[in-house]
Amino acid sequence: QSALTQPPSASGSPAQSVTISCAGTSSDVGGYNYVSWYQQHPGKVPKLLIYEVDKRPSGVPDRFSGSRSGTTASLTVSGLQPEDEADYYCCSYSGRTNFYVFGTGTRLTVL
Amino acid sequence: QVQLVDSGGGVVKPGGSLRLSCEASGFMFSDYYMGWIRQSPGKGLQWISYISLNGRSIFYTDSVKGRFFVSRDNGKKSLFLHMNSLRAEDTATYYCVRMTNGCFDYWGQGNLVTVSS
Repeated sequence: QSALTQPPSASGSPAQSVTISCAGTSSDVGGYNYVSWYQQHPGKVPKLLIYEVDKRPSGVPDRFSGSRSGTTASLTVSGLQPEDEADYYCCSYSGRTNFYVFGTGTRLTVL
Repeated sequence: QVQLVDSGGGVVKPGGSLRLSCEASGFMFSDYYMGWIRQSPGKGLQWISYISLNGRSIFYTDSVKGRFFVSRDNGKKSLFLHMNSLRAEDTATYYCVRMTNGCFDYWGQGNLVTVSS
């Protein structure tokens, strides 16, 4: 299974917004609402940020939002804060195979 | 609160076997699909497998199919990953995860498995 495609890096200054893309296919990102996003700080366990494309679990700040257009999902972080500096991964269910596939990961730097 | 406690990692020689365990607490274990995700050192996340509520449906990523086997014991609120014919490329931190709404909402602390001679 091929990984979903994310940019290797992204950056922004505090208070700015940044959007991270996640490109898939009609068999995964574009075909099912099971798209999720995870944040991972260095040496830490990944944390769920977004599920079902655009839903936030309780406790996740509303600065994090998810969306999808066609076969590409996006994570937007608004009002960047220093603690947002981390790796971000998208994930999608692939109905053709009943598998899950992660994105290649994006390292977000807060300048 | 929801807790997943991973155990069983370590160093194993190529071709060897290892069993990882995950003990759950704070939720009704039998009501959730469970899965395993791994992360090689310095690399991204890779989905490995997931198992249905009663353990009758199990899916594996191609690279571990036929070598890794997942099971669960709902009475003991535990999930297991049996790894055989281990290869150097299986070296990774393995995370037990709870699944809901098509995502992985809770993660264990992870267990490092190192395959080396």
